[in-house]
Order: sequence, then structure tokens, then C-alpha cells
Amino acid sequence: DAMVIQNPRYQVTQFGKPVTLSCSQTLNHNVMYWYQQKSSQAPKLLFHYYDKDFNNEADTPDNFQSRRPNTSFCFLDIRSPGLGDAAMYLCATSRARTEAFFGQGTRLTVV
Amino acid sequence: GESVGLHLPTLSVQEGDNSIINCAYSNSASDYFIWYKQESGKGPQFIIDIRSNMDKRQGQRVTVLLNKTVKHLSLQIAATQPGDSAVYFCAETPREMRFGAGTRLTVKP
Repeated sequence: DAMVIQNPRYQVTQFGKPVTLSCSQTLNHNVMYWYQQKSSQAPKLLFHYYDKDFNNEADTPDNFQSRRPNTSFCFLDIRSPGLGDAAMYLCATSRARTEAFFGQGTRLTVV
Repeated sequence: GESVGLHLPTLSVQEGDNSIINCAYSNSASDYFIWYKQESGKGPQFIIDIRSNMDKRQGQRVTVLLNKTVKHLSLQIAATQPGDSAVYFCAETPREMRFGAGTRLTVKP
């Protein structure tokens, strides 16, 4: 059974049109991560939560926002997607300083 | 900024041979390291981890070595199989988890 679920698997959005990606977990982990991964590159950390404590990476564009309404759910909001935001977006969860479990990712296309 | 990096972007091995994938890290505060395998179109999958109080850890067909003196991490895969073909990432965790550049492993039959 999937433990970290990302929806949708594939998302097509128009240039400049806000889009939200979602992630849910059944593991009750306190840490949740969002990564952006472009072709042939490593996942790049955008933000992470330790419980409700939000941590934004210094180089994450302001265009990217996140919400974590409860332990199980986390959302990535892209306010005005540009062509350069097309990528795979990965959600992961873990307990502090233990292995992270990843979802299957959402592949975002911007047209 | 501090980062995790890899020495070799691609590695091609013959089926049945052993594979060694290397990783360098620079954050001296990192105390937990993980190797992930990522197949095309999928999320990274945990392979093995090691904490900084250890030098070596073995799993099934995989071994991770940690050299804290030179800040180096390696993943050894014994008797490499076609199903091992994927991209391998090391990740370090001082607090948050960050990835290195990745190595694409190709196994030739």
C-alpha cells in the first residue's frame, strides 16, 4: 500500500495560472519535504516542515508556497507558473534523521 | 554553500561485476547519510543508510562505506544485475535532507 501519495501524477497548467500539488502520508511522520527535480538532475530541496515549523530554502523562488494543515497533508502552491517550473515535484516524509519515504511524484507541464 | 557531490556522473558495468559509486560531502555537521535508487519516472527508493558513528554498513548485496576524514561516502553493489540499472543518489542530513548530483548506473548483459 502506498504510504506517501501525490496527486495528481501528471498536471498540465497554463503559463501564469496558479496550480496546487498535494501530498498525503499514512506514516504519521513529523518531517515533510518538497523537492523539485528536473531531467537528469538531483532533487532540489524547496522547503521542509519539522512538525508545523516551516523551513524555506534561501533560493526557493517566492512563486512557490507551501501549506501543511495537519500531519498527514502538505501542499505545494505555484502562484504563477513559468516555463522554467516544468519539472517533477517530489514529496517525502520521515522521522527526524531517518530515511525518507518518497511519493511517486507529480510531473508538471506548463503550456 | 555546502553541498553533496558525486565524482562520476555515469557508470557502466558488466552483469555480475561489482559496482562502486562515490560521493563527496562538505557539510561537517552531517551525521546521517543515505543512498537512494531512482528508476525512470519514479520517486527515489531507499537502499541503505549509515550514521557518522560508523565506518561501514552492509545490506543485501550492498555496502556503504563512510570516511569522515576525507568526507567521502561510497556505495558498493555486489554481483550487479540488470535490475540495478538506475540513477543513484547520496543524501546527507545535518537536519534537512539534501541530495548529491547522482550517478547513472548501466548494467550490460
